[in-house]
Amino acid sequence: QKEVEQDPGPLSVPEGAIVSLNCTYSNSAFQYFMWYRQYSRKGPELLMYTYSSGNKEDGRFTAQVDKSSKYISLFIRDSQPSDSATYLCAMSRSGGYNKLIFGAGTRLAVHP
Amino acid sequence: EAGVTQFPSHSVIEKGQTVTLRCDPISGHDNLYWYRRVMGKEIKFLLHFVKESKQDESGMPNNRFLAERTGGTYSTLKVQPAELEDSGVYFCASSDYYEQYFGPGTRLTVT
Repeated sequence: QKEVEQDPGPLSVPEGAIVSLNCTYSNSAFQYFMWYRQYSRKGPELLMYTYSSGNKEDGRFTAQVDKSSKYISLFIRDSQPSDSATYLCAMSRSGGYNKLIFGAGTRLAVHP
Repeated sequence: EAGVTQFPSHSVIEKGQTVTLRCDPISGHDNLYWYRRVMGKEIKFLLHFVKESKQDESGMPNNRFLAERTGGTYSTLKVQPAELEDSGVYFCASSDYYEQYFGPGTRLTVT
């Protein structure tokens, strides 16, 4: 069983929709949770970083962590065609000093 | 401020040859990581440097891979001899504390 499970999609939504992306994990030692966005042929770009449980908001993006359920989410409000990319969840046991464990990535397409 | 840079962007080599990948981290970042994504798989950790020391090399697949970080600045990852299964995208990331920032990757094709 993989430590981090993420539905690869693809997910196709109309412009303006609210997008929900999710990951589940099995290792309760994970403390730091990140979402990366990756455009084709580019490196992962850090979008959101959250420590332990709770919510974090940044513009149109909201990250949620529910450690009791081992479940994390990324919500994108008012989605734009420029949001079309692969979204990767990643997590680690002790912040930036430790290795990241990645999900498979979800491909998102936002069509006008 | 310059981000993480990697060179080359793409390398095509024959099985049995040697290839060296280079990563320049963000200036001032003591932590440097190498990751790899092979076809159809997740991005996987290879190793972690703190300054010039190897903190964790548990993800290195075998002794054909050698990573160095001279003077705690740039890092190189050498594959010798390369095998077909080494094909993939090799990413470098750096951090000063929590957040890891990735480079654009080197796409390695072994034929």
